[in-house]
Amino acid sequence: EVQLLESGGGLVQPGGSLRLSCAASGFTFSNYAMSWVRQAPGKGLEWVSGMSDSGGATYYADSVKGRFTMSRDNSKNTLYLEMNSLRAEDTAVYYCAKRLSMRHDAFDIWGQGTRVTVSS
Amino acid sequence: DIQMTQSPSSLSASVGDRVTITCRASQTISNYLNWYQQKPGKAPKLLIYAASSLQGGVPSRFSGSGSGTDFTLTISSLQPEDSASYYCQQSYTSPYTFGQGTKLEIK
Repeated sequence: EVQLLESGGGLVQPGGSLRLSCAASGFTFSNYAMSWVRQAPGKGLEWVSGMSDSGGATYYADSVKGRFTMSRDNSKNTLYLEMNSLRAEDTAVYYCAKRLSMRHDAFDIWGQGTRVTVSS
Repeated sequence: DIQMTQSPSSLSASVGDRVTITCRASQTISNYLNWYQQKPGKAPKLLIYAASSLQGGVPSRFSGSGSGTDFTLTISSLQPEDSASYYCQQSYTSPYTFGQGTKLEIK
């Protein structure tokens, strides 16, 4: 079964750091670009960052650029999101998502999400 | 950044109704437009990609159309399980922005 499983969320103080992980299974992880998407409480979806299949290219939303770093370890089938200088507005459920194919940048597989709360 | 605007923000319809949700991009995005369904407490689910291609396993009552800046998601005959929020997303260029969402309620 194709699956993504996020972990690492929790409560952190403003200015703090957190690292999210996303473990992939059921597909050849190294063949697919991946993304992180977040959803603040009661709000819509916000694309946060994306990374190519090899890890050679990474893209970020302006709202997290310079504070968040996305990475992947294809030998471990795992995606990461290092989050620094966290702000209250980063509070959200964070989803990792798999790209549908080389031709289509839609997200066909999503994890269950991990909740991040930034509060003192 | 490309802005995606959905309308309406919410709607209420009856079982069997034909429902249409629209999405407008702030600049042309060809057919790089995807639609997702999200139910409360769940991850989004891909319905339509490349504006009109139905994702595997998605019921055929869902369809998408459009190109350029204007797109639509149509549910041909609304079912109770279609109660959810729907989001469009452009995949033309990073950042891959989403619309603000449309909450669909069954009367």
